[in-house]
Amino acid sequence: GDSVTQMEGPVTLSEEAFLTINCTYTATGYPSLFWYVQYPGEGLQLLLKATKADDKGSNKGFEATYRKETTSFHLEKGSVQVSDSAVYFCALVHQGAQKLVFGQGTRLTINP
Amino acid sequence: DAGVIQSPRHEVTEMGQEVTLRCKPISGHDYLFWYRQTMMRGLELLIYFNNNVPIDDSGMPEDRFSAKMPNASFSTLKIQPSEPRDSAVYFCASRKAGAHSGQFFGPGTRLTVL
Repeated sequence: GDSVTQMEGPVTLSEEAFLTINCTYTATGYPSLFWYVQYPGEGLQLLLKATKADDKGSNKGFEATYRKETTSFHLEKGSVQVSDSAVYFCALVHQGAQKLVFGQGTRLTINP
Repeated sequence: DAGVIQSPRHEVTEMGQEVTLRCKPISGHDYLFWYRQTMMRGLELLIYFNNNVPIDDSGMPEDRFSAKMPNASFSTLKIQPSEPRDSAVYFCASRKAGAHSGQFFGPGTRLTVL
C-alpha cells in the first residue's frame, strides 16, 4: 500500500539556518504531494503542494520539488525563523482518491 | 472565508458520558473528513463524507463512535459511551472536489475523558 516516510525528529536549528526535512513516498502512479504544518494547539494548515513530477510547490519561503525518480518531496527553507517552530507533515493522495496518506510528522524547533 | 469551524475547542467529560463534537465545513466544499490525533497513533482518518453521504467509515474504532452529516454545513461525531482511551484531539477537515485540491483542517477539539 501507499506510504510516506519522513525524517525522524525532533529537529532543532538556530535562527537563520538552512532547513531540510526529508520525505519519501511509496505509491503507484502519480499521486499529488503535500506539506502540512501544525503550530502548537492548532489544526493542520496546507503549506504547499505539487501535483506532477518536477513541479515545485512554494509558500512562505518554503519549497519542495516533486521528484518522481527518487520518489521524494523534501521540504526546504533557506533561513528559518523562530516562528517556523511547528510539526511538519508530508502527505500524498492519489488522483480520484480522497484519503490523505500522512507521514509521521517531524517536530521542528528553532532557537533564537 | 471563515475556514472550518469546530466546537467545542475543549471538552472534559467522565467515562460513560456521551460526547458530541461539531463541525462546520467551508462553504462549497463537497467532502468532509473526521480525524483523530494522538501521540501514540498519530493522525487517523475516522470517516469521510461526500455530499453529506458517508463514504468510508472503516476508520471508526468501534460502535461507540458514530458520525452524521444532516446537511452540507454541519456534521457531528458522537461517542457514546466515552472511555479514557478516547482522549485525543479530533479534527474535522473539508475539501472541494477536484483532482488536486488539498484538505483544509479545523482547529480541533481536545477531548479528555476522565
